[in-house]
Amino acid sequence: DTEVTQTPKHLVMGMTNKKSLKCEQHMGHRAMYWYKQKAKKPPELMFVYSYEKLSINESVPSRFSPECPNSSLLNLHLHALQPEDSALYLCASRGQGAYNSPLHFGNGTRLTVT
Amino acid sequence: GIQVEQSPPDLILQEGANSTLRCNFSDSVNNLQWFHQNPWGQLINLFYIPSGTKQNGRLSATTVATERYSLLYISSSQTTDSGVYFCAVVDTGTASKLTFGTGTRLQVTL
Repeated sequence: DTEVTQTPKHLVMGMTNKKSLKCEQHMGHRAMYWYKQKAKKPPELMFVYSYEKLSINESVPSRFSPECPNSSLLNLHLHALQPEDSALYLCASRGQGAYNSPLHFGNGTRLTVT
Repeated sequence: GIQVEQSPPDLILQEGANSTLRCNFSDSVNNLQWFHQNPWGQLINLFYIPSGTKQNGRLSATTVATERYSLLYISSSQTTDSGVYFCAVVDTGTASKLTFGTGTRLQVTL
């Protein structure tokens, strides 16, 4: 799937840095998701936005801060991360009709925290 | 929350062989998807199949929602089929949350 665009593809950051991951879709989808995937594990849900409002937060630490500035954009702001936060971060979107339509994933941002 | 188990966890096939991957889930679902994650981490949609049977080329999938399982069939496997196969479900109680299964790691050799 390439209809969901994530930038950057790779990111290396120190534990004192502040960085942001960006996700964009132009399919008119109104639900957007952040997932985190550690090596050799399945993706795990972090956040869900529905109609630009945060609807699910899976008890994610506050050093991860999501933002949905409009219906096409989803950001994940990162601050004071730990080396164990190194992972593949995946963004996804879904059309209206909520649970009865498929999720479309971006190609992910591979994050390394040093 | 819903439990999603996949079997087998690992599978090695010779090119040209057929295989069946299984996904069992512990509760009623509204949505089931099969994904292929390639070695570069890209998650590729294979099927959206909350019930019934679908086919796409060498791949087909069947979901029997009343018995809480889904099967993915790969025929005439190719080396490019290598990677990890995930099923993922939305249970009827959560509406939005897609939960991934444990995955099947497939290696296709020459």
